[in-house]
Amino acid sequence: KAGVTQTPRYLIKTRGQQVTLSCSPISGHRSVSWYQQTPGQGLQFLFEYFSETQRNKGNFPGRFSGRQFSNSRSEMNVSTLELGDSALYLCASSSSGGITEAFFGQGTRLTVV
Amino acid sequence: QKEVEQNSGPLSVPEGAIASLNCTYSDRGSQSFFWYRQYSGKSPELIMSIYSNGDKEDGRFTAQLNKASQYVSLLIRDSQPSDSATYLCAVGNTGNQFYFGTGTSLTVIP
Repeated sequence: KAGVTQTPRYLIKTRGQQVTLSCSPISGHRSVSWYQQTPGQGLQFLFEYFSETQRNKGNFPGRFSGRQFSNSRSEMNVSTLELGDSALYLCASSSSGGITEAFFGQGTRLTVV
Repeated sequence: QKEVEQNSGPLSVPEGAIASLNCTYSDRGSQSFFWYRQYSGKSPELIMSIYSNGDKEDGRFTAQLNKASQYVSLLIRDSQPSDSATYLCAVGNTGNQFYFGTGTSLTVIP
């Protein structure tokens, strides 16, 4: 059974640009969550989607947005990139709408220069 | 603000010893609790989940939950050098939104 796939693995962007990250969950999983991980702040919750609906949102500015498609694949977009957005972005896949175990992808390492 | 606190360590134990990792959380409404292991440069890997008070054992790992004290722990028996990693405590509330501690760095010394 394939795991969670995130693309791309690495990105280098310039301040002010925008970026789109992709996540394909484990087959059959309908919940996708996104997290930002930085050395100073640890893992911080961005948002969670279930059946194409955003159910929860963390405390991040509106520059961070996401969506989920009917096949459960999810994308995360960050507009007007800032240096502080440099981080590891992790996607987690869960099977159901309740609280269930979450399995992480390998992450996308975003560097903003 | 829902908080999850862990001792940042580093925690060092000799090979074969028991490593004890602790976590406290602030939200009494939390319903699910998880331990993840993260090797340097890698993504977190789920090693234990626990939902009810008491102990849950899986191989060399034992998770302990005490909701009254808002406390979760992870014991690693017969620690191996391959257990050297950062251990993250995660607490779930509604939906699949998890709050993570900052992690405890564990080093197992051969």
